[in-house]
This record gives sequence, C-alpha cells and structure tokens, in this order.
Amino acid sequence: EPEVTQTPSHQVTQMGQEVILRCVPISNHLYFYWYRQILGQKVEFLVSFYNNEISEKSEIFDDQFSVERPDGSNFTLKIRSTKLEDSAMYFCASSGQGHPYQPQHFGDGTRLSIL
Amino acid sequence: KNEVEQSPQNLTAQEGEFITINCSYSVGISALHWLQQHPGGGIVSLFMLSSGKKKHGRLIATINIQEKHSSLHITASHPRDSAVYICAASTRPYSGGGADGLTFGKGTHLIIQP
Repeated sequence: EPEVTQTPSHQVTQMGQEVILRCVPISNHLYFYWYRQILGQKVEFLVSFYNNEISEKSEIFDDQFSVERPDGSNFTLKIRSTKLEDSAMYFCASSGQGHPYQPQHFGDGTRLSIL
Repeated sequence: KNEVEQSPQNLTAQEGEFITINCSYSVGISALHWLQQHPGGGIVSLFMLSSGKKKHGRLIATINIQEKHSSLHITASHPRDSAVYICAASTRPYSGGGADGLTFGKGTHLIIQP
C-alpha cells in the first residue's frame, strides 16, 4: 500500500538555526498537510496546501514557517529560526482527489529537538 | 472555533471486553475522523464518516450529527488494540474545495490487558 514518507525521523538542531523537514506524499494525492504534536499534547494543524499554494494556515504558522512543493514529489516544511518551543513531532499528511475529504494518510513523523 | 472533546482520557480493560470511546464537538462539521496513534508516534486513519455508521473488522464508528457526537467501539478487544485513539473534525464545507486541516481531540489512551 502506498504510504507517506518523512525524513529525517529525528532532527536535532541548535536554537536559531533553520531546519527543513521533508515529506513525500502519496503520488496521486493533491492535498497536503503539516501538523505538529508537542510532547504530551494533542495534534495541532499547521498548514494545508493545494494546487501549489497554501489553502489554510493556523495561527501557529507564523512568518517563521514556510512550505514548498519544489518538485512533483516532495513537500517541505521550513522553520527559519528555530525556538525551543518548536520542539515537537511534525507529521505530514496527504489526501486524495475527487471528494476533498478523503481520509488523510499520515507519515511516521519527524521528531524535532531544539537545543 | 471548533472544540473536540474525548472521553475517557484513559481506559484500561481486559481482553475480550467491549470498548467505547466518545467524541463530542462544538460546531457543525463536514466529516469526523477516527485515528489510531501507536507508541512510536505514527498515526493511522481508521474511519472518516459524516453520517450513520461504519464498520471495519472489530471496529465500529457511529456519528449523530444532531447531537454532535461520535463513538468508536471495539468488539472482542485484544492487547494489540492498545494505542491512543483520536477523533478529529473536518470543518470546511464540502463545497469549499481546497484542503481541510483537522481539529483534533486530546486522544483516549487505551490499554487492553491479557
């Protein structure tokens, strides 16, 4: 079964550094998402992406964050200048075409640790 | 803003028991998702429903739109069912097009003891 893949599985970065999290969504999917989960808390929506532009973003997704689909397969989340509070598990998800609300398929996540 | 509440937060049961996890939400939704998160962190979609009832193996999900309430049931529970079960709501209207970020509940931590 096709799956969403995320790299790296664990990223350790110094505060203030830029970090790029990478995702390869399922190949025929059109809708892409980033979520984060701070340890012990619920999953939170960051941003959705469709037709090569941001579809919706939460208040968490401020100017430090950006997303890109640089080619036909990758979907990236960049945090420009990381803060301690950015430490979390980041999940990428994608969903299929047709009805907009096909179930979302999640990657295994990238655990981001900011030191 | 949609709030999604789950109960119970923690549930420990014996193998074979019938399990019910509840979810309520505060505003109208277009779909309700049930997801499973294993200790390693990965999230798997179990159900997406907007009305009625869905069944997959030993899992059953129901939704009552008028009462803004959904339940996830597990029949003949097994230790391998131990995981965090999360409900999440889609709020963007179907006609809106585009992608739809989910609003998540805090999850129910289920432990099935042999």
